[in-house]
Amino acid sequence: ILNVEQSPQSLHVQEGDSTNFTCSFPSSNFYALHWYRWETAKSPEALFVMTLNGDEKKKGRISATLNTKEGYSYLYIKGSQPEDSATYLCASLDNYGQNFVFGPGTRLSVLP
Amino acid sequence: DTGVSQDPRHKITKRGQNVTFRCDPISEHNRLYWYRQTLGQGPEFLTYFQNEAQLEKSRLLSDRFSAERPKGSFSTLEIQRTEQGDSAMYLCASSFGGTGQPQHFGDGTRLSIL
Repeated sequence: ILNVEQSPQSLHVQEGDSTNFTCSFPSSNFYALHWYRWETAKSPEALFVMTLNGDEKKKGRISATLNTKEGYSYLYIKGSQPEDSATYLCASLDNYGQNFVFGPGTRLSVLP
Repeated sequence: DTGVSQDPRHKITKRGQNVTFRCDPISEHNRLYWYRQTLGQGPEFLTYFQNEAQLEKSRLLSDRFSAERPKGSFSTLEIQRTEQGDSAMYLCASSFGGTGQPQHFGDGTRLSIL
């Protein structure tokens, strides 16, 4: 069973600050990594699907990188805005199973 | 695209009762997933379907839990003889195509066991 970890557990930043979080996952038998944003009272929303070592993806002010050899992914938010406040989840899938293993999430609060 | 819908949004029941939740995925999505989420944790995989076939079920899942997707469209998750530890948010997600495609989540069903 995969063990996916995320750090930090929570984060408070000022509006305009840039920030980043880490997702760690077992590097052996890696298949795919997903990032989701989960705002309070809403459903999780897919941000990125990453599969290749060295992948970099970008969506507006949010970007992510992937290192499958060492088993980590970074999520970056440039110029944080209050609407970025949410829990950011990563989920890893290995070659053995069809089930995704989610990390516990990083809760981001952006203060105006 | 009407999104993934789940029903009910909230369910309160007494310990020992059976409960059933429903999930309607996005219509063209062939994969459907069930997750359980408790406070401070990420979603925990329960089971998943490809069309009507249940292809994977968590080894941690009690026999009290069962899921169906009879015609490859909507799915139901039933919990028999509920226990206090079953209190959680139950999330459904769907996706189209192969493994690794982004999942679209419903708003979840929050279960509270008295």
